[in-house]
Formats: sequence, C-alpha cells, structure tokens
Amino acid sequence: AQKITQTQPGMFVQEKEAVTLDCTYDTSDQSYGLFWYKQPSSGEMIFLIYQGSYDEQNATEGRYSLNFQKARKSANLVISASQLGDSAMYFCAMREGMAGGSYIPTFGRGTSLIVHP
Amino acid sequence: GAGVSQSPRYKVAKRGQDVALRCDPISGHVSLFWYQQALGQGPEFLTYFQNEAQLDKSGLPSDRFFAERPEGSVSTLKIQRTQQEDSAVYLCASSPGLAGITDTQYFGPGTRLTVL
Repeated sequence: AQKITQTQPGMFVQEKEAVTLDCTYDTSDQSYGLFWYKQPSSGEMIFLIYQGSYDEQNATEGRYSLNFQKARKSANLVISASQLGDSAMYFCAMREGMAGGSYIPTFGRGTSLIVHP
Repeated sequence: GAGVSQSPRYKVAKRGQDVALRCDPISGHVSLFWYQQALGQGPEFLTYFQNEAQLDKSGLPSDRFFAERPEGSVSTLKIQRTQQEDSAVYLCASSPGLAGITDTQYFGPGTRLTVL
C-alpha cells in the first residue's frame, strides 16, 4: 500500500486565487512528521512546510498552510494568492516515528501545479 | 550560507561506463541522504549517512551502486557499469540533526544522469 497518496496529477489555478493540493497518508505510528516540498523545473526540491502529528494547530508559512485532519489522515497544502512562480511540482512526504518504522522519508508521486494569468 | 550543491548537474554516460556523482552538503549537517528520482515520480531513497557512517543502504538497487562520505562532509555516489535503467535524477539532501521526525531535509539541485 502506498504510504503517501497524491491523487491529483495536475492542477490549474488562476493567478491570485487559492488552491488546495491533496495528500493522504498511511501509518500506524502515533508519532510522525509530514512535509511538503516544491520542485520547480530547475529540479531542486524546496522545503515549504512541516506538520508534526502532535501539533494541535495547522502549520502556516507565509502563503502556505497545511490543512491537517488527523482522523482522516490527510495533510492538504493550501496555497493562497497564487503567483505565476508557484508553477511547479509539489511533493508530500512523511517521516514515521522510530518505533513503527524508519527515519527514511517517503514521498508521494507529486502534483503538477500550473498557475495561469 | 551556501545550500547543498551537486556536481555535475548533467552527466551523459555510455552503457557500461562508471560514473561518480558528488554532493556537498550544508556545512555542519550531520545527516545526508541520496535519492533517485525517475521521470514523473517522487524521490526514492537510496542510502543514508550519519556523519561518515553509512547507516542504511537498503535502497541501493544493485551492487553496482556504491556511496561514501569518508570525512563526514562531501559524499560521492558511484555507479559502476551503468545501465539504461540507471537514467534518472540523483538528489542529495542534508539535514542538521539525526534524521528524526522533525529534521527538515535540504536538497541539492540534483544530477541528471542519462545512460545511452
């Protein structure tokens, strides 16, 4: 079974609008961390935001926020006020606790976001 | 402060050639990971170093792949007798801590390897 599922291969959004990129995860650990990365065409993976499983509040970093629904095992990325430079691949990743698994992050297959004017 | 750098950025190899890919992590970072990213996929784990110790190499696809980090900083991923299926982007990531749950990884730009 996939540990990280990103069901949207591609998404389109108009500039200045908000967009939500979906991510669901599968783990039996109580302690885990969720990450989102952006990968523009240049290839470098850029860290965006982190959410810990015990964090009570949704993480926010500037225009990025994480809609964390623990019971549903979802960790959707919300980008507000989209900009043309947001066009890129977006990857959701999880790192599970030592007790239940490994320290090796598992990545989803990514979502391609295109922001059009 | 420099980020993670990788060289070369692009490498074309003939099938059967050996290649060496270099990663310069952020200074002082303890953990270093290598990933392989096929076209249209997310990164797949290859190997993990904590300082100079290679703690996990379970993701290396075959014994043709070898990685080292002899002084706990720069790392080299070597692929012997390259095959066409080795064509991919090879990403290096470093993190300041011991690869715990909250330890954020910082990635390099990757090396795109094409095997003809």
